Amino acid sequence: GEQVEQRPPHLSVREGDSAIIICTYTDSATAYFSWYKQEAGAGLQLLMSVLSNVDRKEEQGLTVLLNKKDKRLSLNLTAAHPGDSAVYFCAVRRSNNRIFFGDGTQLVVKP
Amino acid sequence: GGIITQTPKFLIGQEGQKLTLKCQQNFNHDTMYWYRQDSGKGLRLIYYSITENDLQKGDLSEGYDASREKKSSFSLTVTSAQKNEMAVFLCASWGGSQNTLYFGAGTRLSVL
Repeated sequence: GEQVEQRPPHLSVREGDSAIIICTYTDSATAYFSWYKQEAGAGLQLLMSVLSNVDRKEEQGLTVLLNKKDKRLSLNLTAAHPGDSAVYFCAVRRSNNRIFFGDGTQLVVKP
Repeated sequence: GGIITQTPKFLIGQEGQKLTLKCQQNFNHDTMYWYRQDSGKGLRLIYYSITENDLQKGDLSEGYDASREKKSSFSLTVTSAQKNEMAVFLCASWGGSQNTLYFGAGTRLSVL
C-alpha cells in the first residue's frame, strides 16, 4: 500500500529563518496533496492543498512544491515566526479515496 | 460554511466495554473518514466510507466497526476497549472547493 515518509520529525529554527519539511510517497496514482498544522491540544488546520497538475503554490509565506518525478512534496515556511511553532502533517489522497498522513514534524521557532 | 460535529468530546470507558463514537457533517460530502491519533504520533486510517451504507477498511480496522446509515453521519464502534488505551479519534469528510479534508474537533478516549 501507500507509504508516506515525512522528515524531519523535529525541526528547530530561529525567527526569520526558513523551515522546510519534506514528504515522499510511493503511489504515482496519488492525486491530491495537502499540508496541515496542528497546534498543541488543537485540531488539524488546513494550510494548503494542491492537485497533481500543480508544481508550485505560494500563499501567505508558505510555498508548496510538488515533484511528481521524485514523488516528493515539500512545505517551505519562509521567514518563520514563533506563532508557526506546531506539528505539521502532509497528507496524500489516492484515486481510491484513501488518504494517508505523514508522521508529523514538530517545528519550534525560537525568537 | 459547514461543520463536523463529533460526540462525545471525552469518552471514558472500562476495559472490554463496547464504545460508540458519533460524527455528523452538514457539508453534504460523500466521503467520510475515521482516524486515530495517538499522543505525539500521526493519523492512522481506521475506516472510511465513500457513500451512504458503504464501508471501507483502513490500516487499523481490527478492533473497530463502523456504520454509515445516512450520508450525514458516520459512527465508529470500539468493539472491546483495551485497558490503558488513550487516543484521539478524528472524523473527517472530503470535498469542498479546495477538495480537501475537513476535520471534527475529535473524541478523546481513555480506558480505565
